[in-house]
Amino acid sequence: EIVLTQSPATLSLSPGERATLSCRASQSVSNFLAWYQQKPGQAPRLLIYDVSTRATGIPTRFSGSGSGTDFTLTISSLEPDDSAIYYCQQRSLWYTFGQGTKLEIK
Amino acid sequence: EVQLVESGGGLIQPGGSRRLSCAVSGLSVADNYMSWVRQAPGKGLEWVSVLYSGGTPYYAESVKGRFTISRDSSTNTLHLQMNNLRVEDTAVYYCARHDKATPFDLWGQGTLVIVSS
Repeated sequence: EIVLTQSPATLSLSPGERATLSCRASQSVSNFLAWYQQKPGQAPRLLIYDVSTRATGIPTRFSGSGSGTDFTLTISSLEPDDSAIYYCQQRSLWYTFGQGTKLEIK
Repeated sequence: EVQLVESGGGLIQPGGSRRLSCAVSGLSVADNYMSWVRQAPGKGLEWVSVLYSGGTPYYAESVKGRFTISRDSSTNTLHLQMNNLRVEDTAVYYCARHDKATPFDLWGQGTLVIVSS
């Protein structure tokens, strides 16, 4: 099983700041890495797939980068509505998710 | 508009069974990869099972031998038959669409399964 480890566990930033979320895989996942946003009481929403491709309707403030085992989700110029838990997910070998990073907007 | 609507959750005793359903509109369950993903209360996401468009099912180790995924093309519905339920199966169960090129891009609202005596 490919284990995804996300850091930090919690991130507290102010509106307008940049958020950098990390995801490390226990082995290479090639480019099959995605990011999801989940707000309380809601289903996850796909943000980014294949490392850096934005899903339909996702603002350009959200961007992804990385390769192999180390990946980053960057949210530039945070807005209050970005407060959520963010999960990375791989589909290189079956499907696994990271444990999530909780992003709080001050 | 594409919609995925789960149903069938509830309170079940350990060792019991339950069948979850995911009614889909706007796309064909038979033409897509369809998965169940669960989320225990306050915890992260866990993939449970997938039914590929070709009809082959796969399961996470944690549910293998106890859960069965299936689809009904006549009603365009995805099912998850859960047997021998354990306390640790307590979670919100989501159905989600994906395919070879795209990960889980469409999700239902989830249905809550509580396994408790």
